Amino acid sequence: DVKVTQSSRYLVKRTGEKVFLECVQDMDHENMFWYRQDPGLGLRLIYFSYDVKMKEKGDIPEGYSVSREKKERFSLILESASTNQTSMYLCASSLEVPQHFGDGTRLSIL
Amino acid sequence: KQEVTQIPAALSVPEGENLVLNCSFTDSAIYNLQWFRQDPGKGLTSLLLIQSSQREQTSGRLNASLDKSSGRSTLYIAASQPGDSATYLCAVNFSSGNQFYFGTGTSLTVIP
Repeated sequence: DVKVTQSSRYLVKRTGEKVFLECVQDMDHENMFWYRQDPGLGLRLIYFSYDVKMKEKGDIPEGYSVSREKKERFSLILESASTNQTSMYLCASSLEVPQHFGDGTRLSIL
Repeated sequence: KQEVTQIPAALSVPEGENLVLNCSFTDSAIYNLQWFRQDPGKGLTSLLLIQSSQREQTSGRLNASLDKSSGRSTLYIAASQPGDSATYLCAVNFSSGNQFYFGTGTSLTVIP
């Protein structure tokens, strides 16, 4: 079974902090994705990556950056956290399809 | 802009009923479509994947169909059980890119 692990289930940070969300997959997948999920808006793609050191912007990249130094790990970075980034963050990986998701990180910015 | 719509947003049915969840999308040139289940506070679990060349896929009590020409997919759940209670999401990979677009989901409650 594919395992996608997100480092934290719940996280509370303060406005202006730099926040790191980590995601690791164990199936040697090429593709990795970061989404945020908000009530009434569904899942929206923030960034994705097709290979090590490669990244592409999704629909809502503003205020975020990513890092993929190793194939199994994809990090999402909130450069200066703001209250409107309070959300559920979901990481996914895939070879092609289907996408496999982690359990999510519920992030609160105070 | 490519959009994916799921109606209704919520559905309650008594245990044992057969039910259909709907997904519609704006562009018929899709690459594939995936149905997911999400339990409260959890990530998404893949249920069924339909490639653009397929009309339907089945797994146990679940059957997903795809009609590209009308821009619709349905997820049929037979003999519903309380354990089926969850949010069901549809995601479409349009041929123009490798990005999945998600609907906002249908929250299903199966009443014992």
